[in-house]
Amino acid sequence: AQSVSQHNHHVILSEAASLELGCNYSYGGTVNLFWYVQYPGQHLQLLLKYFSGDPLVKGIKGFEAEFIKSKFSFNLRKPSVQWSDTAEYFCAVILSGSARQLTFGSGTQLTVLP
Amino acid sequence: EAEVAQSPRYKITEKSQAVAFWCDPISGHATLYWYRQILGQGPELLVQFQDESVVDDSQLPKDRFSAERLKGVDSTLKIQPAELGDSAMYLCASSAEGEGYTFGSGTRLTVV
Repeated sequence: AQSVSQHNHHVILSEAASLELGCNYSYGGTVNLFWYVQYPGQHLQLLLKYFSGDPLVKGIKGFEAEFIKSKFSFNLRKPSVQWSDTAEYFCAVILSGSARQLTFGSGTQLTVLP
Repeated sequence: EAEVAQSPRYKITEKSQAVAFWCDPISGHATLYWYRQILGQGPELLVQFQDESVVDDSQLPKDRFSAERLKGVDSTLKIQPAELGDSAMYLCASSAEGEGYTFGSGTRLTVV
């Protein structure tokens, strides 16, 4: 069964620090990859997605992610975080050719200190 | 920007009572999903519809949960009877081919 692993449960950073959140998946076939963000009290919002092509994907709010197929990874990065980036971040995958079901990781809570 | 509508936003119910949640997906999105998100965890798929048909309900506890999408548009998720362990956020999402999902704001259920 496919799974998505987010190894960091809680990350605490100061403003202006650089961010990298890890995401690994366990499936040898073709995948579509996503990062979602959930701000306190709000719904899940799509940050970025990877379907094919350039493995470096740029999303909203200055976030980017790099798909490294050999490492089964899709890590999320931001060069300089802001207090407003405090939220929970979820990595998710869809297996191409499947029923297009999103499988989520357990999430990483990011706290940015002002 | 088009949204997935869900109601109610919050629901408190007593154990053993029935509860229902409603979802209206983005117009034209044939695929609709119900997810359950327990506090501190990622969302888990309960049921997936393609138009009015169930594609996957393998993770739906069918002894107490039911879901329908009779006309292939809006959908209802029901729990009867509710149990304490059902307390969670229930998320609805819709999607179209080649796109990611769009999630609704969810219904936060508390069973007391």
